[in-house]
Amino acid sequence: QSVLTQPPSVSGAPGQRVTVSCTGSNSNIGAGYNVQWYRQVPGTAPRLLIFADSSRPSGVPDRFSGSKSGASASLDISDLLPEDEADYYCQSYDSSLSGLIFGGGTKLSVL
Amino acid sequence: QVQLQESGPGLVKPSQTLSLTCSVSGGSINSGSYSWSWIRQPAGEGLEWIGRISTSGSTNYKPSLKSRVTMSVTTSKNEFSLRLSSVTASDTAVYYCTRSSSPHREIEFWGRGILVTVSS
Repeated sequence: QSVLTQPPSVSGAPGQRVTVSCTGSNSNIGAGYNVQWYRQVPGTAPRLLIFADSSRPSGVPDRFSGSKSGASASLDISDLLPEDEADYYCQSYDSSLSGLIFGGGTKLSVL
Repeated sequence: QVQLQESGPGLVKPSQTLSLTCSVSGGSINSGSYSWSWIRQPAGEGLEWIGRISTSGSTNYKPSLKSRVTMSVTTSKNEFSLRLSSVTASDTAVYYCTRSSSPHREIEFWGRGILVTVSS
């Protein structure tokens, strides 16, 4: 069972917008630690999508945006494309574990 | 551009020790105060942080794995290593080595991953 809670799956039609939620607790997101989001295509390593709650690495389209409030964070993906189909993971740091923690992952289907 | 490459046996027998090495290229493992982590992913499941080591050798391990995990850095070879003892089938996973700029920060670089299967 993951320390961060994500929905197992979300879906949307091309051109639509979807949101992936990530819920933590007072020892991680709620304590102010940064939230990151990674995109993983099956069979490949994850790639950084969002860091420090809402910042995008160079090369990541602005269709991807992140936000954080209290002990929760969200990843928004607008103008869905078929190639957005992948698994998305949130990640933070937990002070009680003194280590990195991940959500269980959310599979995005573009219908 | 920093590149990470995992290496080690792809098959380990139950009760034995899993040993993996991560070779770092495109930069010195000694430069900066980076955090070098091992993360694993069983087939069809999510990501699990195993632990991290700094360039100075300080470590943090996931509590549930702490009794079985040892990490080390060999600066002369620009590599760091993972040893996981007393493995069982539940340790079968793809193992990734990674780099972050600090223990709390995002993972900037990932290796391609190596599949390790625990089976007799």
